[in-house]
Amino acid sequence: DADVTQTPRNRITKTGKRIMLECSQTKGHDRMYWYRQDPGLGLRLIYYSFDVKDINKGEISDGYSVSRQAQAKFSLSLESAIPNQTALYFCATGITGGPYNEQFFGPGTRLTVL
Amino acid sequence: QKEVEQDPGPLSVPEGAIVSLNCTYSNSAFQYFMWYRQYSRKGPELLMYTYSSGNKEDGRFTAQVDKSSKYISLFIRDSQPSDSATYLCALSNNAGNMLTFGGGTRLMVKP
Repeated sequence: DADVTQTPRNRITKTGKRIMLECSQTKGHDRMYWYRQDPGLGLRLIYYSFDVKDINKGEISDGYSVSRQAQAKFSLSLESAIPNQTALYFCATGITGGPYNEQFFGPGTRLTVL
Repeated sequence: QKEVEQDPGPLSVPEGAIVSLNCTYSNSAFQYFMWYRQYSRKGPELLMYTYSSGNKEDGRFTAQVDKSSKYISLFIRDSQPSDSATYLCALSNNAGNMLTFGGGTRLMVKP
């Protein structure tokens, strides 16, 4: 079984729709992250959470919101999707106090906004 | 200018070749240097990490850090078709809270 799972794996939606991407982990990690990946731009951090009551904006949080429902669950919402939010979205986990901040990634969600 | 620059490739080499992948960075606060490998339609996986300057070897892979030049490299010896993937460098400061990623280099190893 995968340690970090993301649902859905693929989603096509229309401009203006509200979308939620979900992430679950069985690794027991306290830290969770949402990234988006665009060709040539690498991974850019959207939001991160170091525990259930901690939510922080990343580099590109505009147009996105998150909810940390439990230690194992971290969801990303696009309140009103727009075409330039078409990208590959990754959830990642990590542990506080790790020696070098290794992060473990889910399989990704491919989102297309028409 | 991006904090971390990486040639996007694609880099195409024959099987058995030595591959050199590189990143340059601008922030001297980075202390931890990592390489992630990402296969098509998969999430990135940590391949190697180093702390501060120097070399680290793991099988066919060698990671090298030159902090004076703000330049990091990943060498792959005897490259295999299974090494075909996108390689992303990731850097972290001493606090270790965040990773800053390069854009990734796509590598293709031809049989």
